[in-house]
Amino acid sequence: DVKVTQSSRYLVKRTGEKVFLECVQDMDHENMFWYRQDPGLGLRLIYFSYDVKMKEKGDIPEGYSVSREKKERFSLILESASTNQTSMYLCASSLAPSYNEQFFGPGTRLTVL
Amino acid sequence: AQTVTQSQPEMSVQEAETVTLSCTYDTSESDYYLFWYKQPPSRQMILVIRQEAYKQQNATENRFSVNFQKAAKSFSLKISDSQLGDAAMYFCAYRSVSGNTPLVFGKGTRLSVIA
Repeated sequence: DVKVTQSSRYLVKRTGEKVFLECVQDMDHENMFWYRQDPGLGLRLIYFSYDVKMKEKGDIPEGYSVSREKKERFSLILESASTNQTSMYLCASSLAPSYNEQFFGPGTRLTVL
Repeated sequence: AQTVTQSQPEMSVQEAETVTLSCTYDTSESDYYLFWYKQPPSRQMILVIRQEAYKQQNATENRFSVNFQKAAKSFSLKISDSQLGDAAMYFCAYRSVSGNTPLVFGKGTRLSVIA
């Protein structure tokens, strides 16, 4: 079974802190994605990566950065957390061809106080 | 840019009955993939069903089937014999064939199943 794991299920941080959300997949997937999920807004893509050290901006990259130093790991970084970044963050991975499904992690519920 | 619209924020169904969730999309491409994902209250999103646009036959997975109307750009999900475990958020998603593009999601439909 493909497994996508995220470092924390719940996280509470303070405004201005630097926050790292980690995602690891164990199936040698080329593609990895970070989404943000908010009620009524669905899933919005923050960043994605097609290969090690490669990254592409999604729909809402402002206030975020990412790092992919190894194929299996994709990190989302909030440089200076703000209250409007309180949300559920979902990581996903997939093999490269488009017909392949994305496998999702369990999500991290981040609260910024 | 492609967009996906789910016009029903919430729906409910009686156990053992059939329910249809709607999804429409907008694209200028002729070939693409469409997906329905399910997110149960535990939050782990899983794939329910997938449809290739070049295939005329509607995809089916056990109690789940789709009604794919390419000309109308419609991709509805039918759940037959609904079970309590079907209660979840359902997301419709589009993915282009060309390039390495990510999924485009609709905003989701929350399905409740009434015992």
